[in-house]
Amino acid sequence: DGGITQSPKYLFRKEGQNVTLSCEQNLNHDAMYWYRQDPGQGLRLIYYSQIVNDFQKGDIAEGYSVSREKKESFPLTVTSAQKNPTAFYLCASSIETGRISSGANVLTFGAGSRLTVL
Amino acid sequence: DAKTTQPPSMDCAEGRAANLPCNHSTISGNEYVYWYRQIHSQGPQYIIHGLKNNETNEMASLIITEDRKSSTLILPHATLRDTAVYYCIVKVGGTSYGKLTFGQGTILTVHP
Repeated sequence: DGGITQSPKYLFRKEGQNVTLSCEQNLNHDAMYWYRQDPGQGLRLIYYSQIVNDFQKGDIAEGYSVSREKKESFPLTVTSAQKNPTAFYLCASSIETGRISSGANVLTFGAGSRLTVL
Repeated sequence: DAKTTQPPSMDCAEGRAANLPCNHSTISGNEYVYWYRQIHSQGPQYIIHGLKNNETNEMASLIITEDRKSSTLILPHATLRDTAVYYCIVKVGGTSYGKLTFGQGTILTVHP
């Protein structure tokens, strides 16, 4: 089955440590995204990537870094510079809008990774 | 992208229709209306989207008013599994990426 796989599902880290969250998709989607969700809140965009070797900052990129070396992979690193890293992190993907005649775009999400900083 | 307004919470009896409203009074002509839902501690799930016409799929129906300033998501026979946060999002179509802005949504609770 095609989909998005995020790992690990739960992660604990000590303050001052960097941690990398994995996101892999086999949907052949061009674009990939990382969102952060805090309790009782909506999703906020961290980074997104439309094509391989290119990515853009979202609304809350400070303290995070990403890479897009392969079409199917978009890992997110939460660095020690992120002041409040405890959150639920969601990865998503979509077909690049330019390839859709209707102009609409639909995101497929992974199951999420819950990061807790101790 | 236009801003949306949704009620923070709604209740529905199991087996009855759930009608979730969304106001998007500043929507422009090329903006789509999307609905997603998020069951607790899971990733959001796409439900339906539309531009001008009403839409129906196996999950729900989307009714968009003629002036496009509001819409209603209808779950025709709600079940306990439909308890979730429902997000209404407005987004310009045809742009180079699918960045969607998720607000706080409507918490729908389906009761037995």
